[in-house]
This record gives sequence, structure tokens and C-alpha cells, in this order.
Amino acid sequence: DSGVTQTPKHLITATGQRVTLRCSPRSGDLSVYWYQQSLDQGLQFLIHYYNGEERAKGNILERFSAQQFPDLHSELNLSSLELGDSALYFCASSVQEISRETQYFGPGTRLLVL
Amino acid sequence: ILNVEQSPQSLHVQEGDSTNFTCSFPSSNFYALHWYRWETAKSPEALFVMTLNGDEKKKGRISATLNTKEGYSYLYIKGSQPEDSATYLCAFETGGFKTIFGAGTRLFVKA
Repeated sequence: DSGVTQTPKHLITATGQRVTLRCSPRSGDLSVYWYQQSLDQGLQFLIHYYNGEERAKGNILERFSAQQFPDLHSELNLSSLELGDSALYFCASSVQEISRETQYFGPGTRLLVL
Repeated sequence: ILNVEQSPQSLHVQEGDSTNFTCSFPSSNFYALHWYRWETAKSPEALFVMTLNGDEKKKGRISATLNTKEGYSYLYIKGSQPEDSATYLCAFETGGFKTIFGAGTRLFVKA
């Protein structure tokens, strides 16, 4: 158990819908990262937040957005969902702003868009 | 386009064999190189974070080396055990704090 929690574990929804994935970092960690693992692609970095502020963006679609709240939990919002958004979404956390250190991954949220 | 390549794609070894995999990454704009171990139905688990050219890291039977000038890192497993069976991922981190993952090397260790 890494200490990072993600909810829900599984989510099934329809195309065009909007969902919110939630991540609580390890106690004391200020950085949260979001990743997407889809069937046809490897693990893709989406976005990094540190202490409430966006630090880096990867391959995140405009339909997706994220934020980190004052209590340091983070939410990833996925809207106008398409079949291709079906994937496993991980969040990870680390202590510092710089990501040159160990990232601890949560168990993931498996999203299925029908 | 930044590309991270891992080889081989998969590897079958016998218990007790030593093995190694390669991660190739761009030699420019290097910030860090991460190695992860990813077991089926679990989440990636960090093995090493490497930042300096020539870095060597070790954790038990697993070790890694880094060459940032030529853009490669090796992961070694000494005396493979069935519980080492997993996918080993490397991730290249750029100076802009973006992370690019390789596709992984899938290791199967037969008892």
C-alpha cells in the first residue's frame, strides 16, 4: 500500500458524459501527478500539480482538466467522454515540487466508456 | 518528438538466471530517469530515480546504471526469482518536468 488513495476504483459511463476522478496523496506529499494507461498506448503523463498550482502538462486533452485543492487532494475531470477515453487512470504523489524523486502510485481508477 | 525505447519487449528466463534490460532516451534536456516495477493488477512501484551521468543504484538483487551522454540506462537483476516477474518501466523526465514512459520490458521468470 503506497498511501495514495484513488476513488472510485471502477467507473462505467456513456459517451458524452462527464466524470470526476479523485486522488488523495500520501500524508505530507505536496505534488500530485496524473497518468493515463490505455490499451493501445503505454503510460502517458497528463499533468503535475504542486501545492495547488499546475507545474507541468503532458498529453492532456482539452476536454480534461485537473485541480489540486488546499487540502492537497486532486481531481481529474473528464468531459464529453469518448470511447477512446476508456483507460486506467493513475495518480502518484511525491514530497517536493521537483519530480526528481520517488513517486508513489495509487491503485488507479479504471474508466470504461460505453 | 521525444521517444523512450525499452528492449527487449519481453524476456523469459529461468529461476537463478541473471538478466538485464535497456532503456534508451534522448541525450538532450535530461533531468531524471526513473525505473518502475509493475506487477499485473497492481500499480507501478518506484525502483530508482537516477539523475547524474554514471549513477549506479542498487536495491537488493536489482541494480541500474545511467549514461546520460549516450542516452541509455541498464537495469540488472541478479539471480532472478519467480516473484521478479513483472513489467519493468523506465521513464525519462525532461527539464520541463514532463515525463515520457517507455513501453516496458515484460519479464517472466520460470521456477
